Amino acid sequence: DVVMTQSPFSLPVTLGQPASISCRSTQSLVYSDGNTYLSWFQQRPGQSPRRLIYKVSNRDSGVPDRFSGSGSGTDFTLKISRVEAEDVGVYYCMQGTHWPPTFGQGTKVEIK
Amino acid sequence: EVQLVESGGGLVKPGGSLRLSCAASGFTFSTYSINWVRQAPGKGLEWVSAISSRSDYIYYADSVKGRFTISRDNVKNSLYLQMNSLRAEDTAFYYCVRDNGAARDYFQHWGQGTLVTVSS
Repeated sequence: DVVMTQSPFSLPVTLGQPASISCRSTQSLVYSDGNTYLSWFQQRPGQSPRRLIYKVSNRDSGVPDRFSGSGSGTDFTLKISRVEAEDVGVYYCMQGTHWPPTFGQGTKVEIK
Repeated sequence: EVQLVESGGGLVKPGGSLRLSCAASGFTFSTYSINWVRQAPGKGLEWVSAISSRSDYIYYADSVKGRFTISRDNVKNSLYLQMNSLRAEDTAFYYCVRDNGAARDYFQHWGQGTLVTVSS
C-alpha cells in the first residue's frame, strides 16, 4: 500500500498567521489519466472528517478560499493563508490514485 | 442535502458479531459508490470497505477481509456492514462515506459515525 507521511505532527499557529502542512507519498500519485488524486480532509474536535480539497488543488463547495492545495508527484502541501479559530483540528491527506486509498497520520493544528 | 446516518454500534465481546447500518437521504442512493471508513479513538483514518452503486464491485481492507461483509439495499437507501469475529483492534468509530460519482473522487460526504467497542 502507498504510505502517506505528513509533517509536522503538531502545528501551533497564531491567529491570522499562515500555516502549512506537508504530505509525501511513497509512490507518485499521477494516475494513467493524467490526474493526481490527492485530497485533504479537516476533522474539527468532536466532528466527522470533512473533505476540503480534491485532485491536489480543487476546493470542495463551501470551503473558504484561505485553504489552498498544491504539489505534484509525491510532494504536496496544504496552506491556510490566515488561520482562524474555527480551523483548529486535525488535517489528513489521502491518496486515491493507487488501490486501496490511504491516509496520512494527521497533523494537529492548534492556536498558540 | 446529503445525509448519511449510521447506527448499530455498541459494546461486543471479542469473537462476537455486530451489524452496522447507514441510512442515506438527499441524493439518488443507487447511483453512488459508498464506503466504510473507521477511526480508532484518538487515532487516524483507515478505509475499511467499498461497494459500487449496483453491488457489482466490492472491496475490503486486508485487515477485515474474511470477517466483514458490506452490502446495500438500493430500495431502502441503506448500506450495511456485517462484522464477525470481532477483535479488540476493530474498536473504532465507523463512518459511512459517499464518493462523488466520478472515478477516484473519493470520500466527499461523511456520516456522523457509530462507535464499535470490542472488549470483554
